[in-house]
Amino acid sequence: EVQLVQSGAEVKKPGESLKISCKTSGYIFINYWIGWVRQMPGEGLEWMGMVYPADSDTRYSPSFEGQVTISSDKSITTAYLQWTSLKASDSAMYYCVRLGLRYTEDNWFDPWGQGTLLTVSS
Amino acid sequence: EIVMTQSPITLSVSPGEGATLSCRASQSVSSNLAWYQQKPGQAPRLLIYGASSKATGVPARFSGSGSGTEFTLTISSLRSEDFAIYYCQQYDNWPRFTFGPGTKVDIK
Repeated sequence: EVQLVQSGAEVKKPGESLKISCKTSGYIFINYWIGWVRQMPGEGLEWMGMVYPADSDTRYSPSFEGQVTISSDKSITTAYLQWTSLKASDSAMYYCVRLGLRYTEDNWFDPWGQGTLLTVSS
Repeated sequence: EIVMTQSPITLSVSPGEGATLSCRASQSVSSNLAWYQQKPGQAPRLLIYGASSKATGVPARFSGSGSGTEFTLTISSLRSEDFAIYYCQQYDNWPRFTFGPGTKVDIK
């Protein structure tokens, strides 16, 4: 069974840094894109970007380019989403998702992690 | 960017009735369209991919159709567990995937 298990909820102050994680299992980690989706309180879903763990190729939505860093660690089959200086507007639920194999069009999101709730407040 | 729109925003349905949800893309996405269900306090779950293929474990009462710019998710006879928000998403414009704003299906 493919599983994505995310790190726990975080409460941070503006200006702080943070790295949240998504531990995967049940499939060959390096072969599939893995991405992140943001959901602000009471709002819809926003695509942030993804990483291809085999060679760390990373692609971002224009809305999130330069705002976050997506990475992965093949040795522990884990993906990460990182901020260097948090803002209150980063408060949201963040989901990791598995996409398809490289060079395929099978890029629906399945499965989803359980979500990591980030609260940024002074 | 491909803009996805969904209608209606809210759909009030009685249990046992059917529901038809619409999704439109601002340009053709071929059949590269997925539907997700999100219940309160839960992560979204894939229902449909390739516009009409059901994900593993999805009940037969759910079906998807369409191609190009017009898509439909049909729930044939709503059960209590189907009241949720449904999002469509295009994955044709790689890597700039986009979601629709969602349709909330609630109890009439």
